[in-house]
Amino acid sequence: GENVEQHPSTLSVQEGDSAVIKCTYSDSASNYFPWYKQELGKGPQLIIDIRSNVGEKKDQRIAVTLNKTAKHFSLHITETQPEDSAVYFCAASADSSASKIIFGSGTRLSIRP
Amino acid sequence: DAMVIQNPRYQVTQFGKPVTLSCSQTLNHNVMYWYQQKSSQAPKLLFHYYDKDFNNEADTPDNFQSRRPNTSFCFLDIRSPGLGDAAMYLCATSTTVGEQYFGPGTRLTVT
Repeated sequence: GENVEQHPSTLSVQEGDSAVIKCTYSDSASNYFPWYKQELGKGPQLIIDIRSNVGEKKDQRIAVTLNKTAKHFSLHITETQPEDSAVYFCAASADSSASKIIFGSGTRLSIRP
Repeated sequence: DAMVIQNPRYQVTQFGKPVTLSCSQTLNHNVMYWYQQKSSQAPKLLFHYYDKDFNNEADTPDNFQSRRPNTSFCFLDIRSPGLGDAAMYLCATSTTVGEQYFGPGTRLTVT
């Protein structure tokens, strides 16, 4: 089955700097890669996703890149702000019939003022 | 506007005493999921419903059961909670091929 590895587990960046979180997946059939943000005491919220037919997607300060050959995908957050502090999960799915996703282990992002 | 609602937000139960967690949705999504999330870990899928079809994960203990009486509601029943079942329980919904929307979760404490 699918296995998703995520690095780093913790990340601290200065406010205004960029943050990058990286994930790898094992199942070459995976075709959907969402990223979730989870704030303390809340459920995960989708912040951006990418499907395997594109290599990059951007939404304001957030971008995701996908390298299908290497089975890598990354989240890039530019101009970080205090409200970006949260746990971020990458995920992968090869099950197009029911959106079943496999999560990475999570990255705790802290933004230093 | 709440889309995936979970009640209660906090639940305390005694060791071995059955407990039911509930989830409702206003999105009319045909797929509903239950996840268990322990501290500092990723959500772990317990089972999901594709319409009325129940799909259990292979490693989900028999102690966990679920019911989906209609499109909008889904319940998680823990028949005999143990201390190891203390966790956040997350409900999510999606369309057949769409993104998953998560509820706020129910934090379960077992005393």
